[in-house]
Amino acid sequence: DAKTTQPPSMDCAEGRAANLPCNHSTISGNEYVYWYRQIHSQGPQYIIHGLKNNETNEMASLIITEDRKSSTLILPHATLRDTAVYYCIVRAIYSGGSNYKLTFGKGTLLTVNP
Amino acid sequence: GAVVSQHPSWVICKSGTSVKIECRSLDFQATTMFWYRQFPKQSLMLMATSNEGSKATYEQGVEKDKFLINHASLTLSTLTVTSAHPEDSSFYICSAVGSGGIYEQYFGPGTRLTVT
Repeated sequence: DAKTTQPPSMDCAEGRAANLPCNHSTISGNEYVYWYRQIHSQGPQYIIHGLKNNETNEMASLIITEDRKSSTLILPHATLRDTAVYYCIVRAIYSGGSNYKLTFGKGTLLTVNP
Repeated sequence: GAVVSQHPSWVICKSGTSVKIECRSLDFQATTMFWYRQFPKQSLMLMATSNEGSKATYEQGVEKDKFLINHASLTLSTLTVTSAHPEDSSFYICSAVGSGGIYEQYFGPGTRLTVT
């Protein structure tokens, strides 16, 4: 799987948008971009994923550049409960067994401040 | 939907004993389950992949005879840490991928294992 690069930490004020960047310059055409987050001492939580179009759900928006070499996860109105480590992961689109494997990097620790 | 549970949430055991951790998909059938381990201040490391009804596939460096994985049904996988030692103390997390539209990995809440 392609490697991702994320800043180790970011701060955000409560109520403001949090924009978390991710570089995946070696991504191939058959790989999705996934975002998960892990609140301290909990299991990771799925946030969103995309292939090449921008995506939005009730949690966040995902903006993928046209060349697909980078993406940004946007939390539109960050709250204190959004403080967590956010992981950007690329994964093959093929279904079945080990193709679902996720390789976690170090992620970005987002701290939302009051 | 897509809830995964783990039991126990934490366990303390003595060195040399074995510990079993259960992972259940509560509202979907999990064709594939994954087991991860996470040491303090580190990221998740995949230990093994298990498909229902077949043997688990272990990642390089993970001892299959020490970490026994059984995926006997579409809703249950178990990880048994045999002859546990203090260095096995860690946060163990399972995840599940389902069928019928549940194609993302959904994670359990994790099990904190402390070996004394």
